Amino acid sequence: GAVVSQHPSRVICKSGTSVKIECRSLDFQATTMFWYRQFPKKSLMLMATSNEGSKATYEQGVEKDKFLINHASLTLSTLTVTSAHPEDSSFYICSAPWGISSYNSPLHFGNGTRLTVT
Amino acid sequence: QQQVKQSPQSLIVQKGGISIINCAYENTAFDYFPWYQQFPGKGPALLIAIRPDVSEKKEGRFTISFNKSAKQFSLHIMDSQPGDSATYFCAASARSSGSRLTFGEGTQLTVNP
Repeated sequence: GAVVSQHPSRVICKSGTSVKIECRSLDFQATTMFWYRQFPKKSLMLMATSNEGSKATYEQGVEKDKFLINHASLTLSTLTVTSAHPEDSSFYICSAPWGISSYNSPLHFGNGTRLTVT
Repeated sequence: QQQVKQSPQSLIVQKGGISIINCAYENTAFDYFPWYQQFPGKGPALLIAIRPDVSEKKEGRFTISFNKSAKQFSLHIMDSQPGDSATYFCAASARSSGSRLTFGEGTQLTVNP
């Protein structure tokens, strides 16, 4: 079945540094991937849509210069949190649709990355 | 318009009982309604999904009931087990938005042994 791999699962970094999170589709190609942020006991908040070969589409209120997204290939999208601050600490989850077309294709999620900024 | 309202926020059920989680939406363009199960520290996993051309879909102990006129859908977990204890999210998407999902607020289910 479709598998989305996310790395690292946990990362602790100092305030002011940058952190890169990778999201890979392991046995299928994904022209689109989605990045979510989840606070404790809260729902998933869509941050941005990653598009292979073109710029990412950011949701309203998400700083594109802070959350850099690169979709360099059909199986890899990366999210870089630049100049991280403690308020960026959160659970970041990527997902990718598995199917011939993106319309109503089942969305499969990675296992998330717990980011802690000290 | 884009929101999906989910209730209850938390639910406690005895082993063997039926767990029922409800969702309601406003956007009539929504035409795909999946349910996700999430365990602590893990990403959500697709459980079951329904399209509005059917009123019910069953997979094992999990059933989705869909009421198009009321713009409501629900998840029923029959014979609930302690291993079902997790957070459940309903979601919805529209053809115009591809696979872009709008999630409900989540329901934390606890099944007591």
